[in-house]
Amino acid sequence: EPEVTQTPSHQVTQMGQEVILRCVPISNHLYFYWYRQILGQKVEFLVSFYNNEISEKSEIFDDQFSVERPDGSNFTLKIRSTKLEDSAMYFCASTPAGASYEQYFGPGTRLTVT
Amino acid sequence: AQSVAQPEDQVNVAEGNPLTVKCTYSVSGNPYLFWYVQYPNRGLQFLLKYITGDNLVKGSYGFEAEFNKSQTSFHLKKPSALVSDSALYFCAVSPWGAAGNKLTFGGGTRVLVKP
Repeated sequence: EPEVTQTPSHQVTQMGQEVILRCVPISNHLYFYWYRQILGQKVEFLVSFYNNEISEKSEIFDDQFSVERPDGSNFTLKIRSTKLEDSAMYFCASTPAGASYEQYFGPGTRLTVT
Repeated sequence: AQSVAQPEDQVNVAEGNPLTVKCTYSVSGNPYLFWYVQYPNRGLQFLLKYITGDNLVKGSYGFEAEFNKSQTSFHLKKPSALVSDSALYFCAVSPWGAAGNKLTFGGGTRVLVKP
């Protein structure tokens, strides 16, 4: 069964450094998302992406964040200058076209900012 | 704005007994409702959804959920719990409309099924 994959599984970075989190959505899906889950807290929406542009973004998704679909398979989340409070599990998700509506999540990337 | 409440941080149940995980929601218009399960060090795994139609929806691994519009609830149920059902369960809501809308999650309920 096709799955959303994410790399790396764990990323440790120093405050102020740039990080890129990578995702490969399920191949025939058209909608892509990033969510994050700070330890012990809710899963929070960051951004949705469709037809090569951002559909919706949350107030968390400020100018330090960007997303890109550089080719037909990858979907990336970049954080330009990481802060301690960016430490979280980041989940990528995708949805097929049509009336499915459920989102399929990857295993997540744990980002630790020191 | 949409929101989801899961009033119980943890539910303990003996194996073989019925399991219920509660969820209430708030959204403008008709909701799309979802349950996800998260096992340790794993991503969120889709269990079931309510979009329209029958208020009782059946999903993976013997789980079902009942949509109650008047009580704005979508409780997850399983008639006979297994030890392997021990995990973190999330309820989520999306506003009615086209695909691609964001999910808003509840805080999660940890289920512990004891042998």
